[in-house]
Amino acid sequence: DARVTQTPRHKVTEMGQEVTMRCQPILGHNTVFWYRQTMMQGLELLAYFRNRAPLDDSGMPKDRFSAEMPDATLATLKIQPSEPRDSAVYFCASGLVRGAYEQYFGPGTRLTVT
Amino acid sequence: EDQVTQSPEALRLQEGESSSLNCSYTVSGLRGLFWYRQDPGKGPEFLFTLYSAGEEKEKERLKATLTKKESFLHITAPKPEDSATYLCAVRVSGNTPLVFGKGTRLSVIA
Repeated sequence: DARVTQTPRHKVTEMGQEVTMRCQPILGHNTVFWYRQTMMQGLELLAYFRNRAPLDDSGMPKDRFSAEMPDATLATLKIQPSEPRDSAVYFCASGLVRGAYEQYFGPGTRLTVT
Repeated sequence: EDQVTQSPEALRLQEGESSSLNCSYTVSGLRGLFWYRQDPGKGPEFLFTLYSAGEEKEKERLKATLTKKESFLHITAPKPEDSATYLCAVRVSGNTPLVFGKGTRLSVIA
């Protein structure tokens, strides 16, 4: 049963600390997305990659957020320094740009910045 | 600007009471409309993709329909396990990612 995995599932950190979230996309998927979900804003796209190349990161605060895909099995999202307003659930999703273009989501990382 | 609006924000139904959720969109060049289900503490789970007006898809008690301006998710004789947030998303022309609505929180009471 192929699925997207994310670590950690929960993270509590203090303001100013670095946070790294990891995602393993479904094997064979060539597109990876990072979303942030809050009650107020819903699901917001932060960045996405196709064949490991970044296509769009306009949804991210550039000064503190960075997203990378060091290889086809790993995507990372870093926040440095973290701020209380970054508290949210961060989802990774993967998909195939072919035909239906469905996206499959991971379980999310719940981040709390105090 | 491409927009996706879902209504109502929240819906409370008695078990067996059928109803519909609405997703209206204002996009140029729709390339697909997607429905997802999200349970508390979990990621969205893919349900359906619709591509053209008049298309319908069904899964158990759920049926999704599409017109040129909106999509409906019909829930027939819902059960408590259908309680979740239902998200709608659209893909527009070009190489763009999905644009999501804010969802409808459905509660089905036994």
